[in-house]
Amino acid sequence: DSGVTQTPKHLITATGQRVTLRCSPRSGDLSVYWYQQSLDQGLQFLIQYYNGEERAKGNILERFSAQQFPDLHSELNLSSLELGDSALYFCASSQGLFYEQYFGPGTRLTVT
Amino acid sequence: SQQGEEDPQALSIQEGENATMNCSYKTSINNLQWYRQNSGRGLVHLILIRSNEREKHSGRLRVTLDTSKKSSSLLITASRAADTASYFCATDTGFGNEKLTFGTGTRLTIIP
Repeated sequence: DSGVTQTPKHLITATGQRVTLRCSPRSGDLSVYWYQQSLDQGLQFLIQYYNGEERAKGNILERFSAQQFPDLHSELNLSSLELGDSALYFCASSQGLFYEQYFGPGTRLTVT
Repeated sequence: SQQGEEDPQALSIQEGENATMNCSYKTSINNLQWYRQNSGRGLVHLILIRSNEREKHSGRLRVTLDTSKKSSSLLITASRAADTASYFCATDTGFGNEKLTFGTGTRLTIIP
């Protein structure tokens, strides 16, 4: 158990819908990262927050947004969902910048 | 885009043998990390090696880094069935670009 929790574990929704994925980092960790893992694209970095501020952005679509709240938990919002958004979404946390990352169990999103 | 490329893509060895995986990257790095992922689960951090380090050990794991060749290797000695997993290298390029970029992974299968 990494100490990072993600909810929900599984999510099945239809195209065009909007979903919110939630992540609670390990106690004391200030950085939160979001990743998307699909069979054809591999593990892709989406976005990073550090102590509430956006720190780095990857290949995150405009339909996706995220935020980190004052209690350091984070949410990833995915809207206007397409079939290609079906993937595993991982959240990770770390003490700060350039530390090892601890991954949550992931949310498996299926868009039908 | 992938910064790191692991080689080989897949590796099968007998239990008790050593397994070596390689990672090559394209741009100068700040840190390189290795992670393990069991099928469909979250990644687990193995080792972090900084750009000014050449070798690091952790239990049965040994990581080397050759910045002149832009490559790293992960050696697992005395392999066990539980080592069956995918192994990823990940790099960051320092302040101003702190995101972690993952390679494509090596799928390691240990045959009992």
